[in-house]
Amino acid sequence: GAGVSQSPSNKVTEKGKDVELRCDPISGHTALYWYRQSLGQGLEFLIYFQGNSAPDKSGLPSDRFSAERTGGSVSTLTIQRTQQEDSAVYLCASSSDTSYGYTFGSGTRLTVV
Amino acid sequence: AQSVSQHNHHVILSEAASLELGCNYSYGGTVNLFWYVQYPGQHLQLLLKYFSGDPLVKGIKGFEAEFIKSKFSFNLRKPSVQWSDTAEYFCAVLSGTYKYIFGTGTRLKVLA
Repeated sequence: GAGVSQSPSNKVTEKGKDVELRCDPISGHTALYWYRQSLGQGLEFLIYFQGNSAPDKSGLPSDRFSAERTGGSVSTLTIQRTQQEDSAVYLCASSSDTSYGYTFGSGTRLTVV
Repeated sequence: AQSVSQHNHHVILSEAASLELGCNYSYGGTVNLFWYVQYPGQHLQLLLKYFSGDPLVKGIKGFEAEFIKSKFSFNLRKPSVQWSDTAEYFCAVLSGTYKYIFGTGTRLKVLA
């Protein structure tokens, strides 16, 4: 597609439930990132995928968080047993050349109640 | 650890006022620096970037930023803001080859 597509745009879930967030990057972009944007916290790096290389998962805050990227394209971020502190906007970005910047999606606003 | 500081969290200006948003980074290596903008209800967009060469970088919509290596700064400027510049602005540094470190953002409100 023309841009990075994320779904759903909004998700309200009960504490303890699992959620899946989807990212469809720009076609041909080999690099894919997940960031988390919390109020007053800026953007927090979560995970990075590059082609077929092992992902950099160093930013995942706990083992409740996981992500995969199938076929080098679509990525899914899964949060298990959600907690209220997981409430944030989850942003996906892709890039063909990381030194030139990312293209961001519109994000998924997750609210855990 | 690398970090990016944006000291102005909220800025309110009248139209036609001049803008300068501060950004300081902590990173010892070669830096690639960026400013991103997020307009209300929209996704983050790249405003401008610095890799090397001329430390004064011009971006879209009349914005510019100056890289001052001795001050570890990359401040964003615009001579005359418009109401449509109301947005949140993020400074970022490329840490290593692929990871970006973002500042906490500055919310700019321009009064018509």
